[in-house]
Amino acid sequence: DAGVIQSPRHEVTEMGQEVTLRCKPISGHNSLFWYRQTMMRGLELLIYFNNNVPIDDSGMPEDRFSAKMPNASFSTLKIQPSEPRDSAVYFCASSNSGSFSYEQYFGPGTRLTVT
Amino acid sequence: AQSVTQLGSHVSVSEGALVLLRCNYSSSVPPYLFWYVQYPNQGLQLLLKYTSAATLVKGINGFEAEFKKSETSFHLTKPSAHMSDAAEYFCAVSDTRGSYIPTFGRGTSLIVHP
Repeated sequence: DAGVIQSPRHEVTEMGQEVTLRCKPISGHNSLFWYRQTMMRGLELLIYFNNNVPIDDSGMPEDRFSAKMPNASFSTLKIQPSEPRDSAVYFCASSNSGSFSYEQYFGPGTRLTVT
Repeated sequence: AQSVTQLGSHVSVSEGALVLLRCNYSSSVPPYLFWYVQYPNQGLQLLLKYTSAATLVKGINGFEAEFKKSETSFHLTKPSAHMSDAAEYFCAVSDTRGSYIPTFGRGTSLIVHP
């Protein structure tokens, strides 16, 4: 089991540039979550997919953020244009809602720095 | 609605001492409760979970937690701290009758002194 895979692990970009973060959930999991972690705000849920469909995107900070899940094995989180305040660690997590155990499996995260 | 309160953003213990990390939750329905651990530069990893079976739950690395409904608590303990336990610990609660999206606490940083 490879676990949740995220890429890139580190991203440094300049303000105004487009950033795309990628996630491959654990095979067989049908729920996927994107989180953002900062010292100031802690761990924030950005968006949640179930069976590839976005269920709750109320945590997406603004229109500059968008997320897609074109199939069960891939999801992206895009920031366009990026701003320095977007600097954070972004985590992807997956779970199997059918198991009724509800625990999440987190990826290693992408550390984003916007200068 | 559900919420989690972790008392103490930092807890410092000596190696070999008891570890106690506090978590209180609020939930309008019977909850599922979790503790996750995050080591530096890593993602969160499940330590243990309560899903309405035994109220005393044992997890990995010698940790355990007890669900106390009357106190709405789910405190995490370990009899003897090890240097490798130094990490950030997160308590989370899920709504078992709704979307089951977990709500995480702000985390407690465990510092272990030699």
